[in-house]
Amino acid sequence: SYVLTQPPSVSVAPGQTARITCGGNNIGSKSVHWYQQKPGQAPVLVVYDDSDRPSGIPERFSGSNSGNTATLTISRVEAGDEADYYCQVWDSSSDSVVFGGGTKLTVL
Amino acid sequence: QVQLVESGGGVVQPGGSLRLSCAASGFTFSSYGMHWVRQAPGKGLEWVAFIRYDGSNKYYADSVKGRFTISRDNSKNTLYLQMNSLRAEDTAVYYCAKDWHKEPYYFDYWGQGTLVTVSS
Repeated sequence: SYVLTQPPSVSVAPGQTARITCGGNNIGSKSVHWYQQKPGQAPVLVVYDDSDRPSGIPERFSGSNSGNTATLTISRVEAGDEADYYCQVWDSSSDSVVFGGGTKLTVL
Repeated sequence: QVQLVESGGGVVQPGGSLRLSCAASGFTFSSYGMHWVRQAPGKGLEWVAFIRYDGSNKYYADSVKGRFTISRDNSKNTLYLQMNSLRAEDTAVYYCAKDWHKEPYYFDYWGQGTLVTVSS
């Protein structure tokens, strides 16, 4: 089955840029979606279709996808961005939703 | 506004059964695919099952195939998950999630979750 690989943790200082990667075999051929989950809360969609943002999500959140890596970029990081982030795809070859293992973003 | 409210969680013994419900409101329930996603304590998200908008197609994670059944009642705007032969590793918060589309794609709304604990 299809596997998505994320770094367990990323740390960044306030005001800097955080980049969270999601690796998968030829992931550039799939649509990648990203979720933010804060402790004790349900996940929230922050990027869909590689790079689109739902209404209400700040422009600081952006995404890209090419080759074997998709990336969620958070610009001008704020303390409130500290959370777990998950990438997700639909794998049509196995008829299953696949999540990455999640990345904990720490704001120093 | 879209609301998804799960219920039915609790403590159950290994080998037991439980049925979860998800009451939906604020959108045309019968027009969208729906999912169950779970999260074991301290772990990441794990997709469990999907049902097409009209119930005509269902997909399951290998870990629950043959034990769990997803269903929906569009007249009641409610999604269900029948869980049988429960194991300790099924212990998790179970989320109901709305798909953006009739077919599986991505989750645009989530419920707050219901905790299922499998323990003797």
